Amino acid sequence: RKEVEQDPGPFNVPEGATVAFNCTYSNSASQSFFWYRQDCRKEPKLLMSVYSSGNEDGRFTAQLNRASQYISLLIRDSKLSDSATYLCVVRGDYKLSFGAGTTVTVRA
Amino acid sequence: DGGITQSPKYLFRKEGQNVTLSCEQNLNHDAMYWYRQDPGQGLRLIYYSQIVNDFQKGDIAEGYSVSREKKESFPLTVTSAQKNPTAFYLCASSIPGGPETQYFGPGTRLLVL
Repeated sequence: RKEVEQDPGPFNVPEGATVAFNCTYSNSASQSFFWYRQDCRKEPKLLMSVYSSGNEDGRFTAQLNRASQYISLLIRDSKLSDSATYLCVVRGDYKLSFGAGTTVTVRA
Repeated sequence: DGGITQSPKYLFRKEGQNVTLSCEQNLNHDAMYWYRQDPGQGLRLIYYSQIVNDFQKGDIAEGYSVSREKKESFPLTVTSAQKNPTAFYLCASSIPGGPETQYFGPGTRLLVL
């Protein structure tokens, strides 16, 4: 079983729409959780950390459900510039484990 | 500006050849990492180093080697023993104490001729 699993998508949404997707992780002892954004053929960049109580950063909302071992990301009022692959990342003892990514395409 | 640089951007390897990918950072981070990314897969950890002169194997170290002689530098050698080296290679660094937030270099694409 993969350590982090994501729906690869793609999610194709119009501008202004809301899009949400999840990832699941296998290690119940995981300590920290993140969403990274990766543009085509570029390096990943931290989008936001995910806290137990849930957190927002502008149009982005992240939720963590430790009991069910899943993390979610919701993007409100989608912009063309939100088109990217979103990587779910989970921290273990000494390393980060990366999901394969969920691709989001926002169309005009 | 502080950051991580990787070179070259594209690298071509012939059969049986060793090649070395460069990674340099001026963020004063102790920890550095090498990942490999293949299409449709998540990043996989090759090697990591938490301090100068020390490094550890990651999940897919076979066919690769590293050195950490300076804090700023963590070069990766892809040896001829790596039979499927074509991939996007990413170097990252993080603050001391753990792999929390990692900062990535722009990556090197390795192709086999």
